[in-house]
Formats: sequence, C-alpha cells, structure tokens
Amino acid sequence: DIQMTQSPSSVSASVGDRVIITCRASQGISTWLAWYQQKPGKAPKVLIYSASSLQSGVPSRFSGNYSGTDFTLTISSLQPEDFATYYCQQTNSLPLTFGGGTKVEIK
Amino acid sequence: EVHLVESGGGLVQPGRSLRLSCAASGFSFDDYAMHWVRQAPGKGLEWVSSITWNGNSIGYADSVRGRFTISRDDAKNSLYLQMDSLRPEDTALYYCAKGRGGSSTSCLASWGQGTLVTVSS
Repeated sequence: DIQMTQSPSSVSASVGDRVIITCRASQGISTWLAWYQQKPGKAPKVLIYSASSLQSGVPSRFSGNYSGTDFTLTISSLQPEDFATYYCQQTNSLPLTFGGGTKVEIK
Repeated sequence: EVHLVESGGGLVQPGRSLRLSCAASGFSFDDYAMHWVRQAPGKGLEWVSSITWNGNSIGYADSVRGRFTISRDDAKNSLYLQMDSLRPEDTALYYCAKGRGGSSTSCLASWGQGTLVTVSS
C-alpha cells in the first residue's frame, strides 16, 4: 500500500498569511494526488485533483504543486473561511490512501 | 447539482450486520465510480471501498475486506455497503462519494453528509 505522510499536523496562521502543506508519497504516484478541505461537522470537499488542477468553483488562492513524490498545497492569502482541516489523497492505485490531515488554526 | 444521501446507520452490537444505502441524484449515476469513506470520531479519513462505473472492479481496505460488500443498483441510482461481523473499531461516520470519473482511481468529487455507525454492546 502507498503511505501518504502529511505535514505539519497543525499550523497556526493569521488572515492574509501564506500557508503551505506538504504530502509525501511512499512511492511514485505520478500526479495522482488530490487535496480536500473539511470544516467541522461537514463533509470533505475536493480542492485540487491531478496534483495541480483546481476544482471548479474553488478560489484561485489555492494551488497545488509537485516534485517527484513530494506534493504541496499552498493557500496564498489565508481567508477566514479557510480555517479547516486539509487532507491529501493518492488516487494512483487501490487502496486509496489519505494523509493524516493538517489542521489550519487561527493564530 | 449532485446530491448524495446516505442512510442505514445506527447503533449495532459487535458481530451483527448493517446495510448502508446512498441515494444519488443530479448526475448520470451509471457513468461514475462510487466510493465509501469513513471517519472515526475525532480522526482522519479512511477509504473503505469503491466500485467502478460498470461494477466490474471492486476494491476494499484491508481492514474491511471479507466483512464488507459494496454494490450498486444503477436502475435505482443507489450505492450500498453491506457490513457484516461488525467490530467496535468500525464505529465511524460513513460517507458516500462520487468519483470524478468511471475508474476507482479518481478523486472523490462529491460527498454526502454521512451516516453514523456505532458498534457497541
């Protein structure tokens, strides 16, 4: 199985800050990676698929990048509605596996 | 608009069975892979199972293989998860999710609100 190691597990940031979340795959997954946002009491929502493609309707302050087996989600200017938990997921092969999550908290 | 509504959760004793359902609307159900994902209280997301658009390929997490069975009824636009030999560690909110395409290896583009399964004596 492919392991997804996500870091940090939590980050404190202020409105307007740039936030970067990292996910490392235990083996090559090409660009088969998605990022999700989950707010408390709500279902997850996809932000990025294929490592860098922005899901329709998602603000452009969210972006995804990659290098080898390392993937990043960047929020260029954190907004109040962005405080949430973020998960990466590899979609290269079954079993699909998620990272452990990153909670973005208000500083 | 895509709409996914899970049902069938509840409190069940260890070793018993439960069948979850997911009613889908707003898209061509038979064109897309479907998934079940769960989230234990206060924990992260765990993929449980998926089924391709035509039902020809099915996958399970190791933690549920041999106990859970995924199926779909395209005539009813519905997805199911038959859960047998339930364990306390199966306690979680179970989400139904629509794949972005017909393959099981696609991102989860739309999610329901989940149905809670609690396994306890």
